[in-house]
Amino acid sequence: GQSLEQPSEVTAVEGAIVQINCTYQTSGFYGLSWYQQHDGGAPTFLSYNALDGLEETGRFSSFLSRSDSYGYLLLQELQMKDSASYFCARMDSSYKLIFGSGTRLLVRP
Amino acid sequence: EAQVTQNPRYLITVTGKKLTVTCSQNMNHEYMSWYRQDPGLGLRQIYYSMNVEVTDKGDVPEGYKVSRKEKRNFPLILESPSPNQTSLYFCASSLSGTSISQQYFGPGTRLTVT
Repeated sequence: GQSLEQPSEVTAVEGAIVQINCTYQTSGFYGLSWYQQHDGGAPTFLSYNALDGLEETGRFSSFLSRSDSYGYLLLQELQMKDSASYFCARMDSSYKLIFGSGTRLLVRP
Repeated sequence: EAQVTQNPRYLITVTGKKLTVTCSQNMNHEYMSWYRQDPGLGLRQIYYSMNVEVTDKGDVPEGYKVSRKEKRNFPLILESPSPNQTSLYFCASSLSGTSISQQYFGPGTRLTVT
């Protein structure tokens, strides 16, 4: 995906914590969203950060640092069902949501 | 149930044969969008619509057309499909253009052009 960088794959153990990083280009930046997509499924919205700091939603948290053009998704108490692809997406000033290429998370027993 | 629906879910066609993929949402959303997803490239926006009769190009609009005659429907038209349009297509909607951070996606349409 244009203008966003995230790792292509991450592997973690069930019960552990994993962090998926995302860096983005700042031009026209409004905020950063995170989406989850299981194989064969549609992307589903997880969280959105418009301001610096941490947003927590259950086991998932998302962080944004505008000064560093950086954000991350934190998944705690990993479960097997968390195995999926995770996309960061920047909300653009021109009413576009621009997606990264996605991070494939594999959770192992 | 609030949802975005797409039809067909799977389509195999031949080069040059015009096709339409339908998209409908029942949430009274103003903003609708089409994406294509290809391996290693994430989701790329094809076209979007801020409201009825208001459409604009996304990042990869070549070879596609859209229309927004009703608020709930946003069909994607391929006038003359080519093999490089083989892809997984998603329709999405959000409440308005200022809330596109949270979009609701349809189940996807897998298109193969031979």
